[in-house]
Amino acid sequence: EIVLTQSPGTLSLSPGERATLSCRTSLSVSSKYLTWYQQKPGQAPRLLLYGASSRATGIPDRFSGSGSGADFTLTISRLEPEDFAVYYCQHYGNSPRYSFGQGTKLEIK
Amino acid sequence: QLQLQESGPGLVKPSETLSLNCGVSGGSITSRGYYWAWIRQPPGKGLEWIASFYYSGSTYYNPSLESRVTISGDTSKNQVSLELNSVTAADTAVYYCAGTDYNAFQYGLAVWGQGTTITVSS
Repeated sequence: EIVLTQSPGTLSLSPGERATLSCRTSLSVSSKYLTWYQQKPGQAPRLLLYGASSRATGIPDRFSGSGSGADFTLTISRLEPEDFAVYYCQHYGNSPRYSFGQGTKLEIK
Repeated sequence: QLQLQESGPGLVKPSETLSLNCGVSGGSITSRGYYWAWIRQPPGKGLEWIASFYYSGSTYYNPSLESRVTISGDTSKNQVSLELNSVTAADTAVYYCAGTDYNAFQYGLAVWGQGTTITVSS
């Protein structure tokens, strides 16, 4: 089973700043199986990036993803007020099919 | 546009069976390339995948829950259902139905229902 570890647990930044969120997998994985979601309080998660770097429909280009092997990064180039939320990375594998990281809370400083 | 709507009992007694339905509109559950999943989130915690149903009829389960879970698809109702038996308080969570078109989003779950809150309590 692949374990996903996200860091930091909480990130405190101000609107306009750049956010860098990390997701590390316990084994090297193909980037095509790495996905990022955003979740706001009381809402379902929203797909942000699939295949590590491809933006889902309607996702602004300030969101970008990169990485390979066991290290992946979600970058928000310039934070907007609506970007403060919890972010999860997820891996698609054999068993279990879906593994999630524990999440990074992006909060307003 | 694909939309998902979960339905469930809200409250379930310990040791009973939880039954959830996910109604799908805007697409067929058996459309080639589509797959569906149930995911839950305990209060204040992260996301846990429970099970998946593929357009082909294939099913996959989280090993930690496999002995208690059944996922199925009903083409006549165009819905994906989940049964979780022998529930305990640890099964209290918001249960989400999610789905995607592999051809568009590969392994990312693109569409989610709003979630249904399930409380296990006597």
